[in-house]
Amino acid sequence: GAVVSQHPSWVICKSGTSVKIECRSLDFQATTMFWYRQFPKQSLMLMATSNEGSKATYEQGVEKDKFLINHASLTLSTLTVTSAHPEDSSFYICSASYLYSTSNEKLFFGSGTQLSVL
Amino acid sequence: DAKTTQPTSMDCAEGRAANLPCNHSTISGNEYVYWYRQIHSQGPQYIIHGLKNNETNEMASLIITEDRKSSTLILPHATLRDTAVYYCIVRGKDSNYQLIWGAGTKLIIKP
Repeated sequence: GAVVSQHPSWVICKSGTSVKIECRSLDFQATTMFWYRQFPKQSLMLMATSNEGSKATYEQGVEKDKFLINHASLTLSTLTVTSAHPEDSSFYICSASYLYSTSNEKLFFGSGTQLSVL
Repeated sequence: DAKTTQPTSMDCAEGRAANLPCNHSTISGNEYVYWYRQIHSQGPQYIIHGLKNNETNEMASLIITEDRKSSTLILPHATLRDTAVYYCIVRGKDSNYQLIWGAGTKLIIKP
């Protein structure tokens, strides 16, 4: 199957600093990427949908100025958590859309990034 | 809100078939049923998906009822490494192709 690489796997940062998470589709071009957040023992929550070359669409309640998303190419999307605070500590996951045909699409996921803000 | 309901947890003996049910009674005609699983602290892994017909791949089989209101994921010979949370999701044009994640089923494979 297609591979999505997400880095870093984990990061610890001080409160007030910014953290960038990268998501790359290694062997396919992804026109659409998604960013999720997952708190312990909870399901994934969609944060935003990112389309190459355009602004991301954020879900209700997600601050676009705090969670900056850049999808500059068909193989790379980045999520920057700006001025991180302890409540931003979470598991962040990206996924990339791969279109096999007009009606057959799959999403492949990165391995996730555990963010801990001290 | 998630459009699927699944049991919270299930146990299965190693080597036996694991059958995971999912109800999706409000599924619309152009929505697919997708199954993913998530092993602790990892990203979700795609398992299988289908629209109307039953599907099989190297990982699992997907049985969809004729009315499409429910489905069952079958892991034919469960191993300890199949212990994970399994998510059943419906996705299609009506939901803007978004994946709305429910709570999933925690499947525990026992030796």
